[in-house]
Amino acid sequence: GAGVSQSPRYKVAKRGQDVALRCDPISGHVSLFWYQQALGQGPEFLTYFQNEAQLDKSGLPSDRFFAERPEGSVSTLKIQRTQQEDSAVYLCASSLRGAAAFEQFFGPGTRLTVL
Amino acid sequence: TQLLEQSPQFLSIQEGENLTVYCNSSSVFSSLQWYRQEPGEGPVLLVTVVTGGEVKKLKRLTFQFGDARKDSSLHITAAQPGDTGLYLCAGDKVQGAQKLVFGQGTRLTINP
Repeated sequence: GAGVSQSPRYKVAKRGQDVALRCDPISGHVSLFWYQQALGQGPEFLTYFQNEAQLDKSGLPSDRFFAERPEGSVSTLKIQRTQQEDSAVYLCASSLRGAAAFEQFFGPGTRLTVL
Repeated sequence: TQLLEQSPQFLSIQEGENLTVYCNSSSVFSSLQWYRQEPGEGPVLLVTVVTGGEVKKLKRLTFQFGDARKDSSLHITAAQPGDTGLYLCAGDKVQGAQKLVFGQGTRLTINP
């Protein structure tokens, strides 16, 4: 497809379960970003990849959060032992180059609900 | 504490009215971007401003970057129901930085 795709679009997990969220960026985009958007708030940065290298993971809220992009294309955000406070929309964005001033194209997000 | 403060957080006006949304910070930003987000979708970039004092126009939308590069505004003239949505400002503090800092958003409703 032409845009960033994310799957699943909706995920319901019981507290303590592990979840994996997938992001397919725009083909050829070097940079990939993950953001967390709580209800009624703006997105908050989680982590950033340039190709397969994770260059910034300063926004990951705890060691339960892990992201990877092994081949420099598809990325997976994994959350272990989910907690209720993890409930949010997780947005993935990609850009052609690394600098933030270059346009980031966002996917539709995965809405995670932890019961 | 929000690094970028948007005001108002909610705004509901009638079709045809003008409005201004503000994005303020105590920090200097290399650039500021404005996004619009629809329910169930990701944010879509409207404009990027990079120079202090810069003004950009996009049809009925006018964007301004403050002289000190700490604030920005979005002005909409003759608002239409299609302008309804969540408007987000976002900035990068360091030129070439990879991550964006977002404001909490302004939820705009234009009533026919």
